[in-house]
Amino acid sequence: QSALTQPASVSGSPGQSITISCTGISSDDGSYKLVSWYQQHPGKAPKLMISEASQRPSGVSNRFSGSKSGNTASLTISGLQAEDEADYYCCSYAGSMFWVFGGGTRLTVL
Amino acid sequence: EVQLVQSGAEVKKPGESLRISCEASGYTFTSYWIGWVRQMPGKGLEWMGVIFPSDSDTRYSPSFQGQVTISADKSNSTAFLHWNSLKASDSAMYYCVRRGVGTAWLHPWGQGTLVTVSS
Repeated sequence: QSALTQPASVSGSPGQSITISCTGISSDDGSYKLVSWYQQHPGKAPKLMISEASQRPSGVSNRFSGSKSGNTASLTISGLQAEDEADYYCCSYAGSMFWVFGGGTRLTVL
Repeated sequence: EVQLVQSGAEVKKPGESLRISCEASGYTFTSYWIGWVRQMPGKGLEWMGVIFPSDSDTRYSPSFQGQVTISADKSNSTAFLHWNSLKASDSAMYYCVRRGVGTAWLHPWGQGTLVTVSS
């Protein structure tokens, strides 16, 4: 698994939607199951937001959604709220109990 | 509730040894892989390695192989990350995290342990 590339930063106004991309994901069939997204507020531990590219764990707002096309995974946040301001990391399982993280994207809510 | 609780912040000198811990509760400890992730100040997440407590099968990221040791104590449902000789560059936040059974996602995460290495 090669490195995963994310934009360093994105921004949006309250109520708007933003999308964070993550390139470098395997394009093999079934690879969507290997992709997850994590939210990290300053000084806090990361939190699972999306699993298997598009599944929302219990308790995660339905404003968060994920998708995968080809070698790119995407995280979309709709109806932006101030509390969404955080760092977001994509992650892919690379096999042999090895995970690869993207470099992280800082989301600023204007 | 599934929970991972890590040991407190540490301040050490270069060359000293250190072991930090991650105590699991709310699930069968021996049924899930537990991993460790490093986050250097102001930087992103880096996968270090993982252990399966049932048989202590341990896998390391190439970047961390030989630099740290991961272990687990089944009797206390606790995983450990150990350094024999710390370097200033080991200063970072370290998180433990559980891998879901048969899945690729990581949840939950421990609250993190801040390690500071300074002379």
